[in-house]
Amino acid sequence: GENVEQHPSTLSVQEGDSAVIKCTYSDSASNYFPWYKQELGKRPQLIIDIRSNVGEKKDQRIAVTLNKTAKHFSLHITETQPEDSAVYFCAALTQGGSEKLVFGKGTKLTVNP
Amino acid sequence: SQTIHQWPATLVQPVGSPLSLECTVEGTSNPNLYWYRQAAGRGLQLLFYSVGIGQISSEVPQNLSASRPQDRQFILSSKKLLLSDSGFYLCAWSVRGAGNTIYFGEGSWLTVV
Repeated sequence: GENVEQHPSTLSVQEGDSAVIKCTYSDSASNYFPWYKQELGKRPQLIIDIRSNVGEKKDQRIAVTLNKTAKHFSLHITETQPEDSAVYFCAALTQGGSEKLVFGKGTKLTVNP
Repeated sequence: SQTIHQWPATLVQPVGSPLSLECTVEGTSNPNLYWYRQAAGRGLQLLFYSVGIGQISSEVPQNLSASRPQDRQFILSSKKLLLSDSGFYLCAWSVRGAGNTIYFGEGSWLTVV
């Protein structure tokens, strides 16, 4: 089955700096890669996603890149703000009849003012 | 628009007691439904997923069970809770078909004492 590895587990940056979170997946058949943001005590919320036919996607300060050959994808947050502090999860969905996402273990991002 | 409701929001249960968490989705038909668990400070573990009424797939052997008595209703149960069952339980849904975004409910905090 699919396995998703996420790094780093914790990340601390200064306000205004960029933050990068990286994930790798094992199943080459995976074709959908969402990123979720979870604030303390709340549910994860989708912030951006990318499909396997696209190499990069951007939404304001957030961007995601996908390298299918290397089987890894990354989240980039530019001009970080204190409200970006949260736990971020990557996930991968396999196109094999199974309609379930496998999540990475999460990255706790802290943006220091 | 689609909404997902999950209850109760919090509960404290003694070891050995039963459990029932309920989840309903509104504004859509034939959704995929999921139960995830998140232990304190940990990642998202898929417990069960369902692609239709009465169709339940279990991801992790444990003392929990799930049922889908109606198209948009998903129930997580246990006959006898263990201390290790404590955590944040999240119901989620997606449009039928691989590669669709998963949306989470508000979550239920379970503490087994």
